[in-house]
Amino acid sequence: AQSVAQPEDQVNVAEGNPLTVKCTYSVSGNPYLFWYVQYPNRGLQFLLKYITGDNLVKGSYGFEAEFNKSQTSFHLKKPSALVSDSALYFCAVSPHSGAGSYQLTFGKGTKLSVIP
Amino acid sequence: SAVISQKPSRDICQRGTSLTIQCQVDSQVTMMFWYRQQPGQSLTLIATANQGSEATYESGFVIDKFPISRPNLTFSTLTVSNMSPEDSSIYLCSVELPGPAKNIQYFGAGTRLSVL
Repeated sequence: AQSVAQPEDQVNVAEGNPLTVKCTYSVSGNPYLFWYVQYPNRGLQFLLKYITGDNLVKGSYGFEAEFNKSQTSFHLKKPSALVSDSALYFCAVSPHSGAGSYQLTFGKGTKLSVIP
Repeated sequence: SAVISQKPSRDICQRGTSLTIQCQVDSQVTMMFWYRQQPGQSLTLIATANQGSEATYESGFVIDKFPISRPNLTFSTLTVSNMSPEDSSIYLCSVELPGPAKNIQYFGAGTRLSVL
């Protein structure tokens, strides 16, 4: 069975500074990896995905994530944080193929607070 | 992406009653999913609803408690039956689009349910 770990419940960063939200995963075979963001009282919005190819994936709102197979990590990054980036971020994984390949497993989420 | 509408957006219900949540998509999709997000928790998949077949439930979720309908390629309902306060959660539907967006799930805004 697959799993996702987001080791930090909360990340605080000053506006303008780079931000990192950490994610490690466990899955049989090759993974599909995703980042979603949830604003208060809103559903989840898709940010970016890794399916195959380049390990550095660029997504919406200036976010990017780096797939590291040896460390089984998929950390979310942004060079310069905005106050409007403050939200709850979820990492998710699904297996590349086989039974349940569509089934997303989510991490518990990391609350990002960008301080003006 | 897709426009996914959920109704109601929120509700307060009495113990022992049932609530049906609707999910409408603006394009035809094969795969629809229902998730539960308990307060302060991550998302947990309840079931997968494919048009033309019975819903597939995840471990810990049963059809008698969470019956699902999928009458066509743009619509699904989830019923939360015989509710108790433990059912207080956000319920979200998601869809997987065909074509280039395959493997990405897009989410509705969710239904925030409180059971008294």
